[in-house]
Amino acid sequence: KAGVTQTPRYLIKTRGQQVTLSCSPISGHRSVSWYQQTPGQGLQFLFEYFSETQRNKGNFPGRFSGRQFSNSRSEMNVSTLELGDSALYLCASSSDPGTSGYEQYFGPGTRLTVT
Amino acid sequence: AQKITQTQPGMFVQEKEAVTLDCTYDTSDQSYGLFWYKQPSSGEMIFLIYQGSYDEQNATEGRYSLNFQKARKSANLVISASQLGDSAMYFCAMREGRISNFGNEKLTFGTGTRLTIIP
Repeated sequence: KAGVTQTPRYLIKTRGQQVTLSCSPISGHRSVSWYQQTPGQGLQFLFEYFSETQRNKGNFPGRFSGRQFSNSRSEMNVSTLELGDSALYLCASSSDPGTSGYEQYFGPGTRLTVT
Repeated sequence: AQKITQTQPGMFVQEKEAVTLDCTYDTSDQSYGLFWYKQPSSGEMIFLIYQGSYDEQNATEGRYSLNFQKARKSANLVISASQLGDSAMYFCAMREGRISNFGNEKLTFGTGTRLTIIP
């Protein structure tokens, strides 16, 4: 089956703008998590969605938000971009272990550059 | 407090040799899961292997095996017969809580080990 897909793969934005990133989980996976990866801070958890509800949130400012749609696709939004938001944003989808066993797979990421 | 510790920032290994990447963790939960991911220069995180805290056998997936020592809180990744394509960053990660209670899929990652395979 198809893996986790993320769009766009690369993005260049200007400081102060906003950006929306998209993630489509593996078919049948209902949980979507987002991570930010930077050279300085490593991999940091942003938030997790399940059945259109945010279940968990990392320690990021309110400029970072997300949502999940009824088909489990998720978007994350960053408003008022700062230079420090330049990062690789990774999305992961998880299966429900009650069905086919537990899995957690990542997409290829969106590389955001803020200038 | 750092929950996942990877003490080897970089490793150089001769092709076809076995390699062990170290990972120690800290948690007060009795139920947790441990993951290893590979990240090539392309950036994609590739799932390698998973070990549940209650799994009695060490996990294996092809050339990958996880040396799980619960009392020592260590979960080292062993790659047998290394190949040039194994050159990448490797991350150890932990998910706390019972897998059967599907919720809280948050992973906490270590800082990673950059593995370079030498021909």
